[in-house]
Amino acid sequence: ELKVEQNPLFLSMQEGKNYTIYCNYSTTSDRLYWYRQDPGKSLESLFVLLSNGAVKQEGRLMASLDTKARLSTLHITAAVHDLSATYFCAASSGTYKYIFGTGTRLKVLA
Amino acid sequence: EPEVTQTPSHQVTQMGQEVILRCVPISNHLYFYWYRQILGQKVEFLVSFYNNEISEKSEIFDDQFSVERPDGSNFTLKIRSTKLEDSAMYFCATTRGGYEQYFGPGTRLTVT
Repeated sequence: ELKVEQNPLFLSMQEGKNYTIYCNYSTTSDRLYWYRQDPGKSLESLFVLLSNGAVKQEGRLMASLDTKARLSTLHITAAVHDLSATYFCAASSGTYKYIFGTGTRLKVLA
Repeated sequence: EPEVTQTPSHQVTQMGQEVILRCVPISNHLYFYWYRQILGQKVEFLVSFYNNEISEKSEIFDDQFSVERPDGSNFTLKIRSTKLEDSAMYFCATTRGGYEQYFGPGTRLTVT
């Protein structure tokens, strides 16, 4: 059964610093997704990673996928306060089931 | 930009009552999903629906839960006899071809 783990669960970082969130999944997965959730809000899609070695970047966020290691990373460059949110990764095997990680609550301190 | 909508935004019900949560998917999307999120916790998959039938369901989705697409537009989640532990945010999500999911704003269900 597909399981997804994220670490760290909580991340407090200074503005301007870099950090990486890790997402491991247990079995073969077709695709890997990253979402952002602000408090009390829904999930916003950030990245869809479809193949080994895929790298996508949007602003200060960059996501990558290593299917051999069953690992995806979300790298934050020069963090700003606006990036404070909870970030979830999710993996799917086929079209019908998406399994989410535990989430990483990011707080960027001024 | 098309979006997924959900009603109601907040539902308060008494234990043992039936509730129906509604979702209007994006019009050309074919795959529909329900998730729940207990406050402060992770997003849990409940069920996926394609071609008018359930494709996959989780262990959470027991006999108390059902889904249907009664009129070709709405996608509903019914909980037959609510329990206190059903209190959560319920999100509907849709996708056209099984890739990027678009989430609705959610329904907060409070069972008292």
